Amino acid sequence: DSGVTQTPKHLITATGQRVTLRCSPRSGDLSVYWYQQSLDQGLQFLIQYYNGEERAKGNILERFSAQQFPDLHSELNLSSLELGDSALYFCASSGTRTTTGELFFGEGSRLTVL
Amino acid sequence: AQSVAQPEDQVNVAEGNPLTVKCTYSVSGNPYLFWYVQYPNRGLQFLLKYITGDNLVKGSYGFEAEFNKSQTSFHLKKPSALVSDSALYFCAVRDTPEAAGNKLTFGGGTRVLVKP
Repeated sequence: DSGVTQTPKHLITATGQRVTLRCSPRSGDLSVYWYQQSLDQGLQFLIQYYNGEERAKGNILERFSAQQFPDLHSELNLSSLELGDSALYFCASSGTRTTTGELFFGEGSRLTVL
Repeated sequence: AQSVAQPEDQVNVAEGNPLTVKCTYSVSGNPYLFWYVQYPNRGLQFLLKYITGDNLVKGSYGFEAEFNKSQTSFHLKKPSALVSDSALYFCAVRDTPEAAGNKLTFGGGTRVLVKP
């Protein structure tokens, strides 16, 4: 158990809809990262927050947004969903601003768009 | 920008035989390298990392990795594979210290199948 909690584990929705994925980082971790894992594109970095502020942005679509709340949990909002958004969405956390520490991953939220 | 490559989509090995999963990297400064494993329907689990020091890094579940600067490689190894090692393995590199954030950039993954 990594200590990172993601909900929901599975989500099935229709095209055009909006969903919210939630992540609770390990206790004390200030950084949260979101990754998308799809069959044809591997693990793609979406966005990182550190202590409530956006710190790095990757290949995140404009239809997607995220935020980190004062209690350090994070939410990833996906809107106007398309079939191609079906994927496994991972949240990870790390503890400090150093560049040597590993990330700890949650079990992921599997999104299926029909 | 930094990147990692895993040249093999799949590696097949018999149980008890040595296992090697290949990874090469490209970074502008000193590399910070990681290996993760993903079992079916699970998240990524950290195996080991190289930051500095000994080129041979030992990690979880009997895995080790050899850092080779001249060949820009960081291959994952296990002397005697188990059927339970069958999983998806990812090599990753961390952003350089100058970059904003310290996310990991992952390779495409290598599926390992250990046959009894």
